[in-house]
Amino acid sequence: DAKTTQPTSMDCAEGRAANLPCNHSTISGNEYVYWYRQIHSQGPQYIIHGLKNNETNEMASLIITEDRKSSTLILPHATLRDTAVYYCIVRVARTGNQFYFGTGTSLTVIP
Amino acid sequence: DTGVSQDPRHKITKRGQNVTFRCDPISEHNRLYWYRQTLGQGPEFLTYFQNEAQLEKSRLLSDRFSAERPKGSFSTLEIQRTEQGDSAMYLCASSFGLDYGYTFGSGTRLTVV
Repeated sequence: DAKTTQPTSMDCAEGRAANLPCNHSTISGNEYVYWYRQIHSQGPQYIIHGLKNNETNEMASLIITEDRKSSTLILPHATLRDTAVYYCIVRVARTGNQFYFGTGTSLTVIP
Repeated sequence: DTGVSQDPRHKITKRGQNVTFRCDPISEHNRLYWYRQTLGQGPEFLTYFQNEAQLEKSRLLSDRFSAERPKGSFSTLEIQRTEQGDSAMYLCASSFGLDYGYTFGSGTRLTVV
């Protein structure tokens, strides 16, 4: 599975959009981009995933560049409860393979 | 069924003792995963089951570690002769099918003293 690169930490003002970038320049054509987050002392929580089209759900939006070498997770109106570590993972879908979590981006939402 | 349950939430044990953790996945999920997470690091894969079959094991899973899922429902992870380096959060996750994300439990925090 391709490796990803994320900033170590980011801050975001409460109520503003949080844009979390991820680089995955070696992604293969059959690899999906997944995002998870982990709030302190809890297990990781699935947020969203996509292949090449932009995706949106009730939690976030995922924007994938046309060349698929990078993506951005957008939390449209960040709240204090969105303070967490966010992991960007690429993985071949339909294989059941495990997810390789890196160290992620620590997002702090500031009041 | 509100999610993946793990028991206990915390465990303190003396070095050399054996410990066993339990994971109850979401009932209709056929895949179950164990991960380990140390402070400041992301979760690391240990092993996974499809139904009762253990399909893959990580190099991290030494001979002192064993996992079972006897009837394709709950799973146990046992660590024999614990060492201080085993201190970590042990996370269980489950999923249905191949296209979806996992649902994780809240983990069992092990401290070996």
